[in-house]
Amino acid sequence: DIQMTQSPSSVSASVGDRVTITCRASQGISSWLAWYQQKPGKAPKLLIYAASSLQSGVPSRFSGSGSGTDFTVTISNLQPEDFGIYYCQQAYNYPYTFGQGTKLEIK
Amino acid sequence: QITLKESGPTLVKPTQTLTLTCTFSGFSLSTSGVGVGWIRQPPGKALEWLALIYWHDEKHYSPSLRSKLTITKDTSENQVVLTMTNINPVDTATYYCAHRHGGYFDYWGQGTLVTVSS
Repeated sequence: DIQMTQSPSSVSASVGDRVTITCRASQGISSWLAWYQQKPGKAPKLLIYAASSLQSGVPSRFSGSGSGTDFTVTISNLQPEDFGIYYCQQAYNYPYTFGQGTKLEIK
Repeated sequence: QITLKESGPTLVKPTQTLTLTCTFSGFSLSTSGVGVGWIRQPPGKALEWLALIYWHDEKHYSPSLRSKLTITKDTSENQVVLTMTNINPVDTATYYCAHRHGGYFDYWGQGTLVTVSS
C-alpha cells in the first residue's frame, strides 16, 4: 500500500493568512492526488484533484501543486469558513489511501 | 444533480454481518467510467477507503479487509451494497459512499454511523 503522510498535523492561522499543508507519498504517484476538506459532522468535500486542478465551485484561494511524492495545498487569504480537517488521497493504484489529516484552526 | 445516501443499521452486535446500502441519483452505474466507492471514518480518526465497484462490475477492495467485504450493485435500483462479515467493535465508524470520478470522490453521501456493540 502507498502510505500518505501529511504535515503538519494541525495548524492555527489568522484570517487573511496564507496556509500551506504538505502531503508526502511513500512512492511516486505522478499527479494522482486529491485534497478534501471536512467539517465536523459532515462528509469530506473534494477541493483539488489531479494534484492541481480546482474542483468546480471551490474558491480560487485554494491551490494545489506537486507531483511524484511531494504535494501541497495552499490557501491564500484564509477565510473563517476554511476551518476543518484537510485530507490528501492518492488514486495512483489500489488500495486508494488517505493521509492522516491536518486540522486547520482559525485564530 | 448527483446525490447519494447511505442506509443500514445503526447498531450491530459483534460477529454479525453488516449490510449497508447506497442509494444514488443523478447518474447511472451502467454508464462507462462510472464507479461508486465506500469509505469509512472511525470516530475522531482519519478516512479509510474500503471498496469500489465500476459500471462493468470490476471490483476493488482494501487488502486488509478483503476477506470481510463484498460490494455489489443493482443498476436498475441505482443502489450499491456493501456487506461486511464478522464485524467487531473496531469497525465502529461513519460509513460513506461516494461517486468516483477519475480516481477521486467528487460527490459523497451524508454518511451513516454504525456502532458495533453487544
